[in-house]
Amino acid sequence: AQTVTQSQPEMSVQEAETVTLSCTYDTSENNYYLFWYKQPPSRQMILVIRQEAYKQQNATENRFSVNFQKAAKSFSLKISDSQLGDTAMYFCAFMKHATSGTYKYIFGTGTRLKVLA
Amino acid sequence: GAVVSQHPSWVICKSGTSVKIECRSLDFQATTMFWYRQFPKKSLMLMATSNEGSKATYEQGVEKDKFLINHASLTLSTLTVTSAHPEDSSFYICSAPLRAAGGRAYEQYFGPGTRLTVT
Repeated sequence: AQTVTQSQPEMSVQEAETVTLSCTYDTSENNYYLFWYKQPPSRQMILVIRQEAYKQQNATENRFSVNFQKAAKSFSLKISDSQLGDTAMYFCAFMKHATSGTYKYIFGTGTRLKVLA
Repeated sequence: GAVVSQHPSWVICKSGTSVKIECRSLDFQATTMFWYRQFPKKSLMLMATSNEGSKATYEQGVEKDKFLINHASLTLSTLTVTSAHPEDSSFYICSAPLRAAGGRAYEQYFGPGTRLTVT
């Protein structure tokens, strides 16, 4: 069975600084997808970034980038130039590859990030 | 982008009554939807997978007679909490998968959630 671990329950960062959130996972699958979701106080889940395991290149989305280490089963999220609006709960999620949408996400326990002014 | 709605956004009900929560995919069809429960400051706990035209698949420990799921159409799934009790008070979130643009992956689009309070 797949598991996802986020070892940092809470983190804080000064505005404009850089912060890295950790995520490790365990799987015997070779083809899978990894995601970072943000859940602000509104509690709406928002996709931050997606990584497909067959791609060696790390995904980037503006200020957000990942460090994907497949052999180490590590998938960390780096937030550059942190903004107050980045304050949220961040969840790492795993999904094995499927040709349909029937496979579920496996979520980590989350990291609460607070950006300080 | 794909939008998933939930109704109601919050509901208060009395103990012993039933409450229905709707999850709709507004601009795409979803043969599968997922229902989650989230306690304060905790992760999302998958309750069940809703399948259009067939029975839902429940996760271990989730009472299927208490949490009735009906996936009546390709855009609507409902979760009914029957004979609700205060311990059922929680935040309920649904999601629907859609193939990501330009990619092979399916990703989940989440509804805004429903806060249920049972008094």
